[in-house]
Amino acid sequence: EVQLVQSGPEVKKPGESLKISCKGSGYTFATDWIGWVRQMPGKGLEWLGIIFPHNSDTRISPPFQGLVTISADKSINTAYLQWSSLKASDTAMYFCAKEGSGSYFRPAYFRQWGQGTLVTVSS
Amino acid sequence: ETVMTQSPDTLSVSPGERATLSCRASQSISTDLAWYQQKPGQAPSLLIYDSSTRATGIPARFIGSGSGTEFTLTINSLQSEDFAVYYCQQYNSWPSLTFGGGTKVEI
Repeated sequence: EVQLVQSGPEVKKPGESLKISCKGSGYTFATDWIGWVRQMPGKGLEWLGIIFPHNSDTRISPPFQGLVTISADKSINTAYLQWSSLKASDTAMYFCAKEGSGSYFRPAYFRQWGQGTLVTVSS
Repeated sequence: ETVMTQSPDTLSVSPGERATLSCRASQSISTDLAWYQQKPGQAPSLLIYDSSTRATGIPARFIGSGSGTEFTLTINSLQSEDFAVYYCQQYNSWPSLTFGGGTKVEI
């Protein structure tokens, strides 16, 4: 069974750094894209970016370029989303999700999702 | 960037009725569209991909259709567990993947 297990909730202050994780199991982690999706309180889904763990090919959605970093360690089947300087506006639920089509050249939809990591940024 | 617009924002229906949700793309995306369901406090789950293919385990009452810029998710004979928020997502404009704003289906 494919599972994506995310790290626990975080409470941070503005300006602090943060790295959250998403551990995959039940499939070959390195050869499926893993995406990250933001959901601000009471709002819809926003795609942040995606990574192919095998070669760390990474694409970040233009509105989030320079604001977040996506990485992966295929040796421990884990993907990461990180911030160097958090803002209050980063307060949201963050989901990781496994790409479902199996295509490297054109990632498509997300078949399995993690449970989400709630990030709260407040002074 | 391809903008995805969903309508209506909220759809009020009764159990047993049919719900019709719309998703419009700002440019043609062929059939590169997925639908997700999200219940309160849960992660989204995949319903439909390639505009009309149901994901594993999805009941036949969920029907996706459309191509180009106009797409529809029809839910026949709504069950209590179907009341949720539904999102469309395009994957034609790689490396950009974009979601619609969502439609809440409520009683």
